[in-house]
Amino acid sequence: KNEVEQSPQNLTAQEGEFITINCSYSVGISALHWLQQHPGGGIVSLFMLSSGKKKHGRLIATINIQEKHSSLHITASHPRDSAVYICAVSASTGNQFYFGTGTSLTVIP
Amino acid sequence: ETGVTQTPRHLVMGMTNKKSLKCEQHLGHNAMYWYKQSAKKPLELMFVYSLEERVENNSVPSRFSPECPNSSHLFLHLHTLQPEDSALYLCASSRGLGETQYFGPGTRLLVL
Repeated sequence: KNEVEQSPQNLTAQEGEFITINCSYSVGISALHWLQQHPGGGIVSLFMLSSGKKKHGRLIATINIQEKHSSLHITASHPRDSAVYICAVSASTGNQFYFGTGTSLTVIP
Repeated sequence: ETGVTQTPRHLVMGMTNKKSLKCEQHLGHNAMYWYKQSAKKPLELMFVYSLEERVENNSVPSRFSPECPNSSHLFLHLHTLQPEDSALYLCASSRGLGETQYFGPGTRLLVL
């Protein structure tokens, strides 16, 4: 079983829809990261959070430490948001990072 | 442009070849990482360097050999690879361990 589980694996949305991607983890963490990977491989770090909520433009990330759960929300989705979104955690002990398998998002015009 | 560059971007090599992947960061970061991304699998952390010292080696086969000559450069030396080593190899850097990582564009490797 993977230390980080994401759902859904694949998601197709109409432009303008509100999107939620979920991440659950099973290890103690010092931080949780949301990454975006575009076709071709480039990865961009979207958020690093250890509590509460962060917002950047149309993206919102929340984390519930007690429930070991995080969500990434995209408001007013756009075709350029189409990418793979990866949840990752920095373990609280050692130098390990654990990654989810990613959620492939396609936003249709 | 994340400030992390990788060369080459694409590499095809035979199983008997020796090649090296290069990563360079222009961010003044102290930690650098090598990852392997295979199709349909999570990113796999291979090596972690902090202040040019290796701090993590996740049971990676010895045919992969990292080198960190200074805090801006990281190499991955490849020797007698197997076809199953074909993957996207990503380099990343961060200001310190556990902090936000900035990824390079990756090297897409095909082993024949």
